[in-house]
Amino acid sequence: QSVLTQPPSVSGAPGQRVTISCTGSSSNIGAGYDVHWYQQLPGTAPKLLIYGNSNRPLGVPDRFSGSKSGTSASLAISGLQAEDEADYFCQSYDSSLSGSWVFGGGTKLTVL
Amino acid sequence: QVQLVQSGAEVKKPGASVKVSCKASGYTFTSYGINWVRQAPGQGLEWMGWISGYNGNTNYPQKVQGRVTMTTDTSTSTAYMELRSLRSDDTAVYYCARDPYHWGQGTLVTVSS
Repeated sequence: QSVLTQPPSVSGAPGQRVTISCTGSSSNIGAGYDVHWYQQLPGTAPKLLIYGNSNRPLGVPDRFSGSKSGTSASLAISGLQAEDEADYFCQSYDSSLSGSWVFGGGTKLTVL
Repeated sequence: QVQLVQSGAEVKKPGASVKVSCKASGYTFTSYGINWVRQAPGQGLEWMGWISGYNGNTNYPQKVQGRVTMTTDTSTSTAYMELRSLRSDDTAVYYCARDPYHWGQGTLVTVSS
């Protein structure tokens, strides 16, 4: 069981917009800790997509956006492209676990 | 640029130990800690612990406490993660990460009789 909860899968047609939720609790997201989002392609290490709730590293298209409210966070992907098909993970920190990294279980995005 | 290069794949028998290395370059090793994260086949990401690059302080989750030891060698800017009493469910890709942006390439550890 992952500390953060994500939907196992989402899907959308090319050009559409999808959102992936990440729900935590008062000891992690709700405690004010930052949320980061990763994209993982098969056989590769996770790649940082969004850091500090809503910031994009250099090179990440502005089709990707993040937000946070209360004990939850969301990743939105607009203008879906075939290359966006991947696994997406959220990550935060938890005060009950001495500031450890905590992850969502991951969401498989399928581009129809 | 920051780089984390990990050691190669390992195959171990149940009950054995494995030690994975993570060699850092491109920054001052003692200014940052190193996290270890693992991913079992087809599964999510699991945090294995953290070690300070400055003084070697560690923080392990309850699940692996007693089986994992993280160390550093500041002379070579290398972090190590040793996992003992290996079980089949320890089969996973093990990653080191300085921060959310900088990850190693991963090391596959297979536990099989």
